Amino acid sequence: DQQVKQNSPSLSVQEGRISILNCDYTNSMFDYFLWYKKYPAEGPTFLISISSIKDKNEDGRFTVFLNKSAKHLSLHIVPSQPGDSAVYFCAASGGSGGSNYKLTFGKGTLLTVNP
Amino acid sequence: NAGVTQTPKFRVLKTGQSMTLLCAQDMNHEYMYWYRQDPGMGLRLIHYSVGEGTTAKGEVPDGYNVSRLKKQNFLLGLESAAPSQTSVYFCASTRAKSKLSSGNTIYFGEGSWLTVV
Repeated sequence: DQQVKQNSPSLSVQEGRISILNCDYTNSMFDYFLWYKKYPAEGPTFLISISSIKDKNEDGRFTVFLNKSAKHLSLHIVPSQPGDSAVYFCAASGGSGGSNYKLTFGKGTLLTVNP
Repeated sequence: NAGVTQTPKFRVLKTGQSMTLLCAQDMNHEYMYWYRQDPGMGLRLIHYSVGEGTTAKGEVPDGYNVSRLKKQNFLLGLESAAPSQTSVYFCASTRAKSKLSSGNTIYFGEGSWLTVV
């Protein structure tokens, strides 16, 4: 049972426009959410996170929104740049015992920003 | 500051062979993890450790063993490699000493590409 779902395998956006990447989760015990960015042949790099006590966190061009009632979060990139082209992973943590110490990842969304 | 370093970066194994992947971190982190990434599957947790001398199973532990004899190192072993273990393996670590929360960034290594033929 997949607890973190990224239902869009890919997304294509024009440079300068907004990119919106979506993530849904099923485990109501999750209370910490992160987005990672991954280029080919490299390890994932941390992008932005949000705690369940907030509904928005912003860092430069990147904003993450959390809707706890819908168990949904989204990553907004404004404006999108060609260098943002990568696979974006949504991840979550929280619950009892060991679930507090590890991340559960979605399958990723490949973002392509066209010049 | 090297961060999280994985060796080897590439390896080809024959079915039934054994090998060990080494992960080293120089950030004095408590928690360490081994993930595997397969096409269309995202990152799946194999094993993890919350401190020196401790290990625990993740989502897909079968066929793997781990050891954390030193705080800075986390070893992933394949005793008898199978083609299904062909994957990209990522080690990660974080300084968290309790639950993951804001400020506890998890850092990943650059990956180890393993092919089992």
